Amino acid sequence: AQRVTQPEKLLSVFKGAPVELKCNYSYSGSPELFWYVQYSRQRLQLLLRHISRESIKGFTADLNKGETSFHLKKPFAQEEDSAMYYCALQTGANNLFFGTGTRLTVIP
Amino acid sequence: DGGITQSPKYLFRKEGQNVTLSCEQNLNHDAMYWYRQDPGQGLRLIYYSQIVNDFQKGDIAEGYSVSREKKESFPLTVTSAQKNPTAFYLCASKPPEGGGIQYFGAGTRLSVL
Repeated sequence: AQRVTQPEKLLSVFKGAPVELKCNYSYSGSPELFWYVQYSRQRLQLLLRHISRESIKGFTADLNKGETSFHLKKPFAQEEDSAMYYCALQTGANNLFFGTGTRLTVIP
Repeated sequence: DGGITQSPKYLFRKEGQNVTLSCEQNLNHDAMYWYRQDPGQGLRLIYYSQIVNDFQKGDIAEGYSVSREKKESFPLTVTSAQKNPTAFYLCASKPPEGGGIQYFGAGTRLSVL
């Protein structure tokens, strides 16, 4: 069975500091992973996907199959990064299996 | 305005009552999904539909029912059998090439009176 673990429910960092949101997964198939973000009063939306290997809003995430991780990183946090972040795994049925989420607060 | 529309924004259910949450999309997506969002539990899949007139149970389907009579619409009924219905409900759709890319509605918050 698949599993997505986000160990931190809450994470606070100061503006300008580096931020890393952790995500570990367990899946017997070939993993495809995503980060979704929900800003205050906005809809849940895709932030980035590992397959595209792009940087969105300064965030990057690298799939590490050896460590079964897909941590989200940004070198300098901004106040507008405060949001709820969900790591998600695409399953064999082409559905998404979400982690429990991490609420990031960037302190001015 | 294109996208996914969920209504109502807030809904209250009385004991023993069935209530239906609406989800409409004009994105021409075949696949649609219902999730339940609870604090500390993330999003959990209730039901999904890959095509009209077909739907499948997700991880927490008990106490819920759906229909998919039209491509644009995927209503969710929270039945009286759902003993803990208070939650935020999200509807999503996926484009054909989407893989793990889903587009979400603004959600409906259901509370029990």
